[in-house]
Amino acid sequence: EDQVTQSPEALRLQEGESSSLNCSYTVSGLRGLFWYRQDPGKGPEFLFTLYSAGEEKEKERLKATLTKKESFLHITAPKPEDSATYLCAVQIIQGAQKLVFGQGTRLTINP
Amino acid sequence: KAGVTQTPRYLIKTRGQQVTLSCSPISGHRSVSWYQQTPGQGLQFLFEYFSETQRNKGNFPGRFSGRQFSNSRSEMNVSTLELGDSALYLCASSSQGGTTYGYTFGSGTRLTVV
Repeated sequence: EDQVTQSPEALRLQEGESSSLNCSYTVSGLRGLFWYRQDPGKGPEFLFTLYSAGEEKEKERLKATLTKKESFLHITAPKPEDSATYLCAVQIIQGAQKLVFGQGTRLTINP
Repeated sequence: KAGVTQTPRYLIKTRGQQVTLSCSPISGHRSVSWYQQTPGQGLQFLFEYFSETQRNKGNFPGRFSGRQFSNSRSEMNVSTLELGDSALYLCASSSQGGTTYGYTFGSGTRLTVV
């Protein structure tokens, strides 16, 4: 069965304290891995898509990396506005147009 | 560029009733997917439509159905509502299969069944 597991479930950091979020996956065939950010009461906001092991993408204080079994979302010198739930999702089969989501990591950045 | 629009934002229904939710995708996007989000199960795939055809369906009972119109707008319907159907229902649209530019989500419809 295709599975996506995110850890930790919740993470509390001080402003400026860098850390990483983990997304491990067990799927039959990976087409793409997505990272989203979700604020309370809103829909997920697209951050990155990664396609193959070794790929990296950056956006402001965020950097996503991908291996054959997991992805990391590194957050460097975070600010309070980076507080949100970060969701990882995989698209399994080309053309299936279906995302399998992890449970998310709830990130809180204290000023 | 307008985003994905979902209506209504909030809805309260009684057990046994039915409900219809609407989603207008980004202009030019032909693929519309629906997801259910609950605290316990997270985001779960309901179904996906492309050019008025359902291409993929998740593991939900037949009470959950949907359709897509020629202008790509989509509706989902839940019949005989149960308390467990209370959730945030999210719609996502995409252009080139979602992998290049990602799926764009709407803000969702918060359904409460009492």
